[in-house]
Amino acid sequence: DAGVIQSPRHEVTEMGQEVTLRCKPISGHNSLFWYRQTMMRGLELLIYFNNNVPIDDSGMPEDRFSAKMPNASFSTLKIQPSEPRDSAVYFCASSYTNEKLFFGSGTQLSVL
Amino acid sequence: AQSVTQLGSHVSVSEGALVLLRCNYSSSVPPYLFWYVQYPNQGLQLLLKYTSAATLVKGINGFEAEFKKSETSFHLTKPSAHMSDAAEYFCAVGPGGGNKLTFGTGTQLKVEL
Repeated sequence: DAGVIQSPRHEVTEMGQEVTLRCKPISGHNSLFWYRQTMMRGLELLIYFNNNVPIDDSGMPEDRFSAKMPNASFSTLKIQPSEPRDSAVYFCASSYTNEKLFFGSGTQLSVL
Repeated sequence: AQSVTQLGSHVSVSEGALVLLRCNYSSSVPPYLFWYVQYPNQGLQLLLKYTSAATLVKGINGFEAEFKKSETSFHLTKPSAHMSDAAEYFCAVGPGGGNKLTFGTGTQLKVEL
């Protein structure tokens, strides 16, 4: 298996623009997680899905952030409008029935 | 609520020396504990996990960790450091299994010749 695939690897955008991050989990995994990593706050769980249903979005910082999982093989994290403080590395991870998390390589987001 | 505290954001050891990375946890329920490693420009990879079976857990790449309930600790060790061990290490706690983990702030391990 190719592992968890995230795109793009790097995104540079201007404040106020919409940003969409994409994730393809490992086939057969039933849980998907979005994490954000910054120097100041470390690794934070934003939202996680189980069987394509959002289970806990308490980590989503504000209404500018939204996440969807229309099917078992695809998820998006959208930021609209983006702000400089959103600059971070965003990781997607997937797992199967409470086993270990498999992380993608992340998307480095820079909002200017 | 569950949390982990990693003592020391940076640890430096000589090649061949003992590696000790500290993690203390707080949990109101029996915890599941994990160590993950992150190499530069990569996502995190699972090193080992404790799920209430044996208190001494062996992981990949020669790492192991011991669960000590009395000390609420789950320190990561390796008898002999290798240059390839240089990475950032994260301790994490979960209420059960691998879902909804809470990660520590990470410890950057540097291995010197």
